[in-house]
Amino acid sequence: DIQMTQSPSTLSASVGDRVTITCRASRSLNDRLAWYQQKPGEAPNLLISEASNLESGVPSRFSASGFGTEFTLTISSLQPDDFATYYCQQHIGYPLTFGGGTKVEIK
Amino acid sequence: QVQMVESGGGVVQPGRSLRLSCVASGITFSNYGIHWVRQAPGKGLEWVAVISYDGNYKFFADSVEGRFTISRDNSKNTVYLQMSRLRAEDTAVYYCAKDMVYCTSGVCLSNWFDPWGQGTLVTVSS
Repeated sequence: DIQMTQSPSTLSASVGDRVTITCRASRSLNDRLAWYQQKPGEAPNLLISEASNLESGVPSRFSASGFGTEFTLTISSLQPDDFATYYCQQHIGYPLTFGGGTKVEIK
Repeated sequence: QVQMVESGGGVVQPGRSLRLSCVASGITFSNYGIHWVRQAPGKGLEWVAVISYDGNYKFFADSVEGRFTISRDNSKNTVYLQMSRLRAEDTAVYYCAKDMVYCTSGVCLSNWFDPWGQGTLVTVSS
């Protein structure tokens, strides 16, 4: 199985900050990586697919990049609505696997 | 507007069975694969299973292989997750989610998914 490792596990930041989350895979994914946002008590929401494709309706302050085994999700200017937990997920093969999550907290 | 609604969760004893349902609306259901993903209390996300748009292809996580089955009834816009020989570690909120690619032939799964339902809680406890 492909292991997905996210860092950091928790991130404390202020509104307006630029934040970056990293996701590493145990083997090459090419560009087969998605990012999800989950707010407390809610289901996850798809942000990014195929490493860098922003889903419709997702604010442009979100961006993502990477290829192979290392990927990043960046929020250019953190907004109050962005405090949540973020997960990466490989979609190159079964079983599909998620990273452990990065909780973005208010500093 | 696409909506996914899960049902069937509850409290069940270890070793027993439970069947979850996922009803979709707002899409041509028979053209999309459907995934199940679970989340244990306070933990991260774990993918469980997927069924292709036509039901011909099914894949499972190692942790549930041989205990869980997945099926669909396209006439009812419904996917089922039959869970057998349940264990305490199966306790989680179970979400269903729509695969992102529109399918008419082949295996045809993007393996990223949206939207998700609100989830249904399964508690395995004696």
